[in-house]
Amino acid sequence: SQKIEQNSEALNIQEGKTATLTCNYTNYSPAYLQWYRQDPGRGPVFLLLIRENEKEKRKERLKVTFDTTLKQSLFHITASQPADSATYLCAWRGNAGNMLTFGGGTRLMVKP
Amino acid sequence: DVKVTQSSRYLVKRTGEKVFLECVQDMDHENMFWYRQDPGLGLRLIYFSYDVKMKEKGDIPEGYSVSREKKERFSLILESASTNQTSMYLCASSFWQGHQPQHFGDGTRLSIL
Repeated sequence: SQKIEQNSEALNIQEGKTATLTCNYTNYSPAYLQWYRQDPGRGPVFLLLIRENEKEKRKERLKVTFDTTLKQSLFHITASQPADSATYLCAWRGNAGNMLTFGGGTRLMVKP
Repeated sequence: DVKVTQSSRYLVKRTGEKVFLECVQDMDHENMFWYRQDPGLGLRLIYFSYDVKMKEKGDIPEGYSVSREKKERFSLILESASTNQTSMYLCASSFWQGHQPQHFGDGTRLSIL
């Protein structure tokens, strides 16, 4: 079965720095990887999607990269702000079906 | 804006009760999902529906059933609630194409005493 691994330890960074979060998958290459943001007491909110044949995707201060050799996706937030503090989830989807497999999420804390 | 509404934010029930969690979406999405979220275990899929009256089991369907009588509404049923079903339950919906993002409700925190 597929496992999606994210660093369970919180990531603490200073405002203005770039935050980099990691998502590793164990077995099968995804058709897509999706990234979500979750605030306390709220449901996840979709941020970005990267396809298996894409190396990089950007949206404003967000960037996602994908390395099939390392079986890894990196999620970057540049010029981070305290408002970026949240838990970030990555989700894997294979070539069949509509179901996503989520990682456990990484909590990001951006200090002013 | 897509809105996924879960009927309760907090719910307290007793062991053995039959519990209904309701979810409604307003974007005419074909797919609807029920997850539970527990610390250290992340989001786990309970059931998924891709059309009215259609359902598929997710990773942890035991102890749960679902009902989808109308396209916009997806219900999760705990047939006989047990304390290990205390959790945060999240409903989501999406268009049928697999790459489409899922839109989540804000969850129901269910406590079984």
